[in-house]
Amino acid sequence: AQTVTQSQPEMSVQEAETVTLSCTYDTSENNYYLFWYKQPPSRQMILVIRQEAYKQQNATENRFSVNFQKAAKSFSLKISDSQLGDTAMYFCAFMKRGRAGDFGNEKLTFGTGTRLTIIP
Amino acid sequence: KAGVTQTPRYLIKTRGQQVTLSCSPISGHRSVSWYQQTPGQGLQFLFEYFSETQRNKGNFPGRFSGRQFSNSRSEMNVSTLELGDSALYLCASSLKPDTQYFGPGTRLTVL
Repeated sequence: AQTVTQSQPEMSVQEAETVTLSCTYDTSENNYYLFWYKQPPSRQMILVIRQEAYKQQNATENRFSVNFQKAAKSFSLKISDSQLGDTAMYFCAFMKRGRAGDFGNEKLTFGTGTRLTIIP
Repeated sequence: KAGVTQTPRYLIKTRGQQVTLSCSPISGHRSVSWYQQTPGQGLQFLFEYFSETQRNKGNFPGRFSGRQFSNSRSEMNVSTLELGDSALYLCASSLKPDTQYFGPGTRLTVL
């Protein structure tokens, strides 16, 4: 079974600063995906970024980037130039990768989340 | 393209009743997964459906069930509600088995 650990329950940062959220995971799988989702007060779960474990290059999406260390089983999220709209709960999640096109493995295992507050 | 929709958004029931929640996936998505979110247990996987078949199931009692229709819409049912079933129920859909997109959730309160 997979486990995902987010050791920072809460963080806060000044607007326009950079913040890094930590995530570690444990798995015996070699092929998998890692995700960061954000959940603002509206409770809608929004995909922030996705990383495929077999790709060494770190994923980036505009102001969001990850530092993926497969050997260390670490997957941190960096938010640059933070904005007030980034205030949310951030969840790190793991998904086992099945065979191409084969549904049935899409169970997401989530961490406990980090509550991020952007201070004006 | 419209996102994942869930109905109703809010629901209040009493212990012992049953409830049905509905989820319409993004157009073209054939996989639907359900999750329960509570303050104590966090986000937990309930089940996943693809092509009207349950492909994966989480560790929940048999009171939790679901189904998927030919148009990929999915319903989940909880029978004999307990206070501990109060939660946000999230539905997610997938086009490919690598990324899930979530709906706004249904908040269920059991009194």
